[in-house]
Amino acid sequence: GEDVEQSLFLSVREGDSSVINCTYTDSSSTYLYWYKQEPGAGLQLLTYIFSNMDMKQDQRLTVLLNKKDKHLSLRIADTQTGDSAIYFCAEIPGGYQKVTFGTGTKLQVIP
Amino acid sequence: KAGVTQTPRYLIKTRGQQVTLSCSPISGHRSVSWYQQTPGQGLQFLFEYFSETQRNKGNFPGRFSGRQFSNSRSEMNVSTLELGDSALYLCASSQGNNEQFFGPGTRLTVL
Repeated sequence: GEDVEQSLFLSVREGDSSVINCTYTDSSSTYLYWYKQEPGAGLQLLTYIFSNMDMKQDQRLTVLLNKKDKHLSLRIADTQTGDSAIYFCAEIPGGYQKVTFGTGTKLQVIP
Repeated sequence: KAGVTQTPRYLIKTRGQQVTLSCSPISGHRSVSWYQQTPGQGLQFLFEYFSETQRNKGNFPGRFSGRQFSNSRSEMNVSTLELGDSALYLCASSQGNNEQFFGPGTRLTVL
């Protein structure tokens, strides 16, 4: 099956780190993504990780992948008010272009 | 490079009508995917086109159809609109390497 689950809401204080979690069930997924959606806007690709990697760091963003548990996380260091948005994890199973998205996590950053 | 563009950005229709949405991919991208985003169902995959051929299809009724032209531009059509078709329709383009770039979406309201 192809279910991607996320917690719905996360609230953090400005300057703290945010950790957004995601679980997926399709073991054939080769790519896992994090997207950001601001109000009234489309999706912005933040970062992605290949399934044969454990970690990827890109400036303030760190992606951790536990393939055994099918768990993906996105850590945002030094969270800013501009990071307030909905974050979606997504997977593409088996090389197809059909992306399965998680339910989205709404990140609220408190000044 | 210009990003993915979608027209129109907003649309209001009544039940029973049909609608056509347009998506222009990033220059050089041959794959175009369509997604429906609603508060209740989240982001759901509609279909994907590559070189004018539908490669993948989601679980939507036959009222939802699409096509792709030789210049990679794509259109999506919904016939006999229902209230539940009100959604944000997102288009994404790709070179075929699984990295998708999203447009801003078309907000369809069905009255």
